[in-house]
Amino acid sequence: EIVMTQSPDSLAVSLGERATINCKSSQSVLHSSNSKNQLAWYQQKPGQPPRLLIYWASTRYSGVPDRFSGSGSGTDFTLTISSLQAEDVAVYYCQQYYSTPQTFGQGTKVEI
Amino acid sequence: EVQLMESGGGLVQPGGSLRLSCAASGFSFSSYWMTWVRQAPGKGLEWVANVKQDGSEKNYVDSVKGRFTISRDNAKNSLYLQMNSLRADDTAVYYCARGLWTFDIWGQGTMVTVSS
Repeated sequence: EIVMTQSPDSLAVSLGERATINCKSSQSVLHSSNSKNQLAWYQQKPGQPPRLLIYWASTRYSGVPDRFSGSGSGTDFTLTISSLQAEDVAVYYCQQYYSTPQTFGQGTKVEI
Repeated sequence: EVQLMESGGGLVQPGGSLRLSCAASGFSFSSYWMTWVRQAPGKGLEWVANVKQDGSEKNYVDSVKGRFTISRDNAKNSLYLQMNSLRADDTAVYYCARGLWTFDIWGQGTMVTVSS
């Protein structure tokens, strides 16, 4: 099972400032067949189900604002919120889909 | 509107059983892998099981193998999770989600509490 570790567990960022969340996998999630990283990011607000933000490590899902971006390859990945808005307060999870069982990071709580 | 709606959660004693359902609408249910993901109170997300479009392939996390069974009825646009031999650590909100690798549509979840 691939273990996903996020850092930090929580962070407080001022409105309009940049938020950076890191995710590290215990083994590479770069698939040799398509040269794509099998890594996604989700946002979960209190009392709501998760929402898909990013897949293939850096592709924004439909409707996701462009202030959200993903980067990284292999075992190290980053989710960046370029200019934090009030509605971005949430817990963010990374997820690997390189192998079954798919696994999530423990989550990073983003606050203002 | 594309939608998933879970039902069937509740309070059950350890060792008991429960069957969760997920009703899909607004999309071609039979064209998608479907997945169950759970979240214990105040905890993170845990992938539980998935099932192929025609039900011919199913996968489970080790902790539920032999106790949980995922199934689907494409004629009813419905996904199910039969949970037997329930334990306290199965207590969680159970979400159904669309997809094999990434999950773009989620239900609101149904709470399962295992307690005496």
